[in-house]
Amino acid sequence: AQSVAQPEDQVNVAEGNPLTVKCTYSVSGNPYLFWYVQYPNRGLQFLLKYITGDNLVKGSYGFEAEFNKSQTSFHLKKPSALVSDSALYFCAVRDDSSASKIIFGSGTRLSIRP
Amino acid sequence: DAGVIQSPRHEVTEMGQEVTLRCKPISGHDYLFWYRQTMMRGLELLIYFNNNVPIDDSGMPEDRFSAKMPNASFSTLKIQPSEPRDSAVYFCASSLAKNIQYFGAGTRLSVL
Repeated sequence: AQSVAQPEDQVNVAEGNPLTVKCTYSVSGNPYLFWYVQYPNRGLQFLLKYITGDNLVKGSYGFEAEFNKSQTSFHLKKPSALVSDSALYFCAVRDDSSASKIIFGSGTRLSIRP
Repeated sequence: DAGVIQSPRHEVTEMGQEVTLRCKPISGHDYLFWYRQTMMRGLELLIYFNNNVPIDDSGMPEDRFSAKMPNASFSTLKIQPSEPRDSAVYFCASSLAKNIQYFGAGTRLSVL
């Protein structure tokens, strides 16, 4: 069975500082990993994905994520946070079998203070 | 493309009434997903379709909930009868080959 965990309900960062939003996963096959962002009163928006290749994946709005197979993690990062990055972030995973479905984490609320 | 379109954006109804939520996926996408989001339970997958066929409805909470996809460009989620605990934001999403999902803006349902 596949699962995904976001251990932090909330992350608080000062503007201009680096940010990290954590995600760990468990799948039986090779993972497909995703990050989505949700702004207030909006649907989820795709940020980035990892399927194969480079462990460091770059996405929208200056975000990147690092795939670590040994630690089964896919943490979301940004070198310098903006107040406009404040939102709810979801990690998602599925394995590479045709029958699997995407599982979303519980979400992490990112708050950037000016 | 206009993206995934959901209607209505807001729905307020009374307990016991039938509610129908609508979704138009992105043209060409072969997967369609219905989710429910609440503060208590987070984002829950209710059901998903592949090529208009329901594949997994294990997330549908009970028989009061039903979903259909009569063609590739339209899906409905129906709740009959509705209850206050069904109050939530319901999202529809579509994707090509179970890859990136594109979400609609959601329907905020309030059952009084």
